[in-house]
Amino acid sequence: ILNVEQSPQSLHVQEGDSTNFTCSFPSSNFYALHWYRWETAKSPEALFVMTLNGDEKKKGRISATLNTKEGYSYLYIKGSQPEDSATYLCAFRGYSGAGSYQLTFGKGTKLSVIP
Amino acid sequence: DAGVTQSPTHLIKTRGQQVTLRCSPKSGHDTVSWYQQALGQGPQFIFQYYEEEERQRGNFPDRFSGHQFPNYSSELNVNALLLGDSALYLCASSQDLRSSTDTQYFGPGTRLTVL
Repeated sequence: ILNVEQSPQSLHVQEGDSTNFTCSFPSSNFYALHWYRWETAKSPEALFVMTLNGDEKKKGRISATLNTKEGYSYLYIKGSQPEDSATYLCAFRGYSGAGSYQLTFGKGTKLSVIP
Repeated sequence: DAGVTQSPTHLIKTRGQQVTLRCSPKSGHDTVSWYQQALGQGPQFIFQYYEEEERQRGNFPDRFSGHQFPNYSSELNVNALLLGDSALYLCASSQDLRSSTDTQYFGPGTRLTVL
């Protein structure tokens, strides 16, 4: 059974603060790591798909890094805004066997940005 | 582009009944995956359909079955409903997923309540 862990479970930050969360995943048979942003009552929105060790992705004020050898990814938000309030999910995709096509999700980090 | 659509939005059933959920993929996508998100958990993979066949299946009982139509839309059927089947059911579409960078795009989900 694949285990994907996210921390913290939730956090509250003030508008303008920068923040980051962690996703831990199996370091073997790695194929891809996905980040999604999920606002209440909306569809999960794809942020990044990362495939190479050392990958860094950026979209506006949000960026992510990837370390496949130790099995973790960080998501950073610079200068948080109220519209960043959402649950951020990471999902691991394994290379072979049962994990070839499915995504295994963490439980998510719920971010609340206080104006 | 309408994106991934799901119907119905909400559904209430009683134990022992059967339910059918529907999903229309994003334009140009030929692969549909279904996920179940129980309260406090991340989405869990149920199964994936490609070329009208079940390509991969997660750890769900045979009460969960599906179908993909020639237009790539899909149905999820659950028989003999249990209270524990109450959850948000998410559909995701993608293009084949043969590339490590292929992304799954999610619909808004169907909230199923079993009484």
